[in-house]
Amino acid sequence: DTGVSQDPRHKITKRGQNVTFRCDPISEHNRLYWYRQTLGQGPEFLTYFQNEAQLEKSRLLSDRFSAERPKGSFSTLEIQRTEQGDSAMYLCASSPVVGMNTEAFFGQGTRLTVV
Amino acid sequence: AQSVAQPEDQVNVAEGNPLTVKCTYSVSGNPYLFWYVQYPNRGLQFLLKYITGDNLVKGSYGFEAEFNKSQTSFHLKKPSALVSDSALYFCAVRDSSGTYKYIFGTGTRLKVLA
Repeated sequence: DTGVSQDPRHKITKRGQNVTFRCDPISEHNRLYWYRQTLGQGPEFLTYFQNEAQLEKSRLLSDRFSAERPKGSFSTLEIQRTEQGDSAMYLCASSPVVGMNTEAFFGQGTRLTVV
Repeated sequence: AQSVAQPEDQVNVAEGNPLTVKCTYSVSGNPYLFWYVQYPNRGLQFLLKYITGDNLVKGSYGFEAEFNKSQTSFHLKKPSALVSDSALYFCAVRDSSGTYKYIFGTGTRLKVLA
C-alpha cells in the first residue's frame, strides 16, 4: 500500500471549463476527506465521506462543486464552470474508522490553475 | 465552533537550538490535536497527536508537543533544530462532540538557519 493517491498532480484549465479530480484512499480506510489549500493558507475543509455516504459539506462547497464516492473506495471531485478563484491545491485524505482519535493520511494533492 | 490559531507566520531558529511552534485551539468538547508538516509541493505528513493521557506527546523526527488544557494550547517543540526541519507546520483539531472533520490553522513557516 503506497498511501493516498491523487490524479492528476497538476491541471491547467481555461475559465469556464469543467475539471474532475480523482482520489484513491489507503485500502480499508472508510473515511475520505477533501480539502482545498491556497497559497499561504492552511487546508480548508470541503467535504468528507464515510464509505459511500457524504456526511458533511462545507459552505465553501458551492453548487459548482460536487464530490462522489460511489462504491466507498475512490472518490472524485468535480468543479463545473471553473473560475480563477478556484485555483488552489486540492488535497485528499483518508482515515480508518476506529473512533475519533485517528489521524488522517494525505495525498500529495492536485494543483489546479485556472487561466 | 472549532478553531485553531497559529499566531506566528514564521519562526526562525539557529541550527542546534531548541524550537517552539505555537498553537492554540477552541472546541466545544474534548480536543483531539494533531501536528502536520508540509514540504514544498507535497501533501501533509503526520507528526504527532494528543488524544488523552500524558500532556507531553512524542512524535516523528524528534518532535514533541505539550498539551495545556488551561491555556488551550498545543505547542510543537524540538530540543535541537536541524536545517532539514525547515518546512511549513500545521496544527489541527477535531472535536469530540461528533464531527469527524479536521480544522487546520493557517500554518507556521519554520526556517532553521545553519
